[in-house]
Amino acid sequence: NAGVTQTPKFRVLKTGQSMTLLCAQDMNHEYMYWYRQDPGMGLRLIHYSVGEGTTAKGEVPDGYNVSRLKKQNFLLGLESAAPSQTSVYFCASSSARTRSAYEQYFGPGTRLTVT
Amino acid sequence: ILNVEQSPQSLHVQEGDSTNFTCSFPSSNFYALHWYRWETAKSPEALFVMTLNGDEKKKGRISATLNTKEGYSYLYIKGSQPEDSATYLCAFHPTPMTTDSWGKLQFGAGTQVVVTP
Repeated sequence: NAGVTQTPKFRVLKTGQSMTLLCAQDMNHEYMYWYRQDPGMGLRLIHYSVGEGTTAKGEVPDGYNVSRLKKQNFLLGLESAAPSQTSVYFCASSSARTRSAYEQYFGPGTRLTVT
Repeated sequence: ILNVEQSPQSLHVQEGDSTNFTCSFPSSNFYALHWYRWETAKSPEALFVMTLNGDEKKKGRISATLNTKEGYSYLYIKGSQPEDSATYLCAFHPTPMTTDSWGKLQFGAGTQVVVTP
């Protein structure tokens, strides 16, 4: 099992450019999440999905869009990147079918710099 | 807006010493409390998930307790080693008010632990 993988690992964008971050999990988890991590802020939830074809806004959704067309994939899009979106992005997944009360499994992170 | 607080923000421990730190969360609408260990340049990994008041969990030299009535959890590290250096995150899972709120955690900012030889 690869667990949760993220593509790419690093990216540098110019202001106004767009990009898509891909998250994939092979654990058949129903729930998937996108977080951003900034110094002193901990993990903040951007968007999440409770199942294929469904998405919902988290704490800091502005400037981002997501899609969950397949159960194993969760895409995070930046339509017009801004320097404020410079951050480390983590994807995570969890399942309701275990006794682990939605324990989350995290990907390795994507470091994004917007200049 | 619910508030999950961790204290202290950081602490330095001598190798061999024991330490503990706190996670505070709302005492109402409790469903679960998670602890994650986050090493530098890696991703967070779950240590414990606790769901019952009075729960105590242990993994090696690390243990955690839970008091849901007063809204706090302690994480203990006994005989700290340099490999225990990490940021420890707690995350609160409230009882969901809507069906799409299951699995949605609220993370604290973490306690950074540095163990020096």
